[in-house]
Amino acid sequence: AQTVTQSQPEMSVQEAETVTLSCTYDTSENNYYLFWYKQPPSRQMILVIRQEAYKQQNATENRFSVNFQKAAKSFSLKISDSQLGDTAMYFCAFMIRGGSNYKLTFGKGTLLTVNP
Amino acid sequence: NAGVTQTPKFRVLKTGQSMTLLCAQDMNHEYMYWYRQDPGMGLRLIHYSVGEGTTAKGEVPDGYNVSRLKKQNFLLGLESAAPSQTSVYFCASSSPEGAPRTDTQYFGPGTRLTVL
Repeated sequence: AQTVTQSQPEMSVQEAETVTLSCTYDTSENNYYLFWYKQPPSRQMILVIRQEAYKQQNATENRFSVNFQKAAKSFSLKISDSQLGDTAMYFCAFMIRGGSNYKLTFGKGTLLTVNP
Repeated sequence: NAGVTQTPKFRVLKTGQSMTLLCAQDMNHEYMYWYRQDPGMGLRLIHYSVGEGTTAKGEVPDGYNVSRLKKQNFLLGLESAAPSQTSVYFCASSSPEGAPRTDTQYFGPGTRLTVL
């Protein structure tokens, strides 16, 4: 079974600064996807960024980038130039690629607060 | 496209009552999922479906039943509600391998259920 661990229950950052959220996972699979989802106070789950394990290049989406270390089973999210709208719960998630059901396994989340 | 919608948005039940949560998607997705979100627990998979007429158990299936009679709808039923089922319920959908962005799950807005 896969597990996802987010060791930082809460974090805060000043507006315009950079913050990194940590995620580690445990799996015996070699082919999988990793995701970061954002859940603002509206409760809507929003996909922030995805990474395919077979790709060595780290994914980037505008101000969001990841540091994917496959051997260490680490998948951190870096948010640059933090904005007030980035305040949300952030979830790291794992999915086996090519499986029969495309299930997501989530971490417990990190509550990020961006301060003005 | 409305994406993934959930009905109702809020509901209060008494212990022992039954209810059905409806999830609908208009993206022609094959796969659909029901998750529950509890404080400090992240999202956990209840049941899922890989196609019309098929369902399977997820991580926390006890106390719930599901049906997928139509491809676009996925129903979650509580036959005899218990206070432990107080939670926020999310529906999600995705398409199988071979279609664009197959790994991405699209989430509904959630249903907040309170069982007294």
